[in-house]
Amino acid sequence: EAGVTQFPSHSVIEKGQTVTLRCDPISGHDNLYWYRRVMGKEIKFLLHFVKESKQDESGMPNNRFLAERTGGTYSTLKVQPAELEDSGVYFCASSYSGGQPQHFGDGTRLSIL
Amino acid sequence: AQRVTQPEKLLSVFKGAPVELKCNYSYSGSPELFWYVQYSRQRLQLLLRHISRESIKGFTADLNKGETSFHLKKPFAQEEDSAMYYCALRHTDKLIFGTGTRLQVFP
Repeated sequence: EAGVTQFPSHSVIEKGQTVTLRCDPISGHDNLYWYRRVMGKEIKFLLHFVKESKQDESGMPNNRFLAERTGGTYSTLKVQPAELEDSGVYFCASSYSGGQPQHFGDGTRLSIL
Repeated sequence: AQRVTQPEKLLSVFKGAPVELKCNYSYSGSPELFWYVQYSRQRLQLLLRHISRESIKGFTADLNKGETSFHLKKPFAQEEDSAMYYCALRHTDKLIFGTGTRLQVFP
């Protein structure tokens, strides 16, 4: 079984540019989560999809972040425009149902210059 | 407010020594707690969850509601246990993580 895959593994962009991160969950997993870890801080929840619907987006920091999951398969997280404080590692996780353990991807390291 | 605290950023022990990674939580209600581990150059993976009450790789963790703790223990550390360990609490399907503890096991 293929695990959660994230692309790219590393992205370096300049402040003000746009970046899109992608996450492919484990096949059959309806639940998809985004988290991020900024330098020196804990891993923090961003949002949760159930299929294509946003179940909880309480962790999204501001309206520069847009997450989508069209068709209920893969998800994208777009940051536009990127700011310096957006630098960090963005993790995606998926689970079969809300009560099941979450499986994490390798993460995308985002560096804003 | 829901919170997970891991007071130690770094824990260093010698091979064969006992290990205890501390985790305290704040949660109103019945908590569901997990330990995740991230080995060097690998992804975050589930180590154990309190409802399973199992031992994985020799590690155990007991939920103590009186002390609001979920400490991770292993009687004899191995070099391959060196990794980042995260304690996490499930709240409305999302995970709330502690800041993590780096365990270094020296030969």
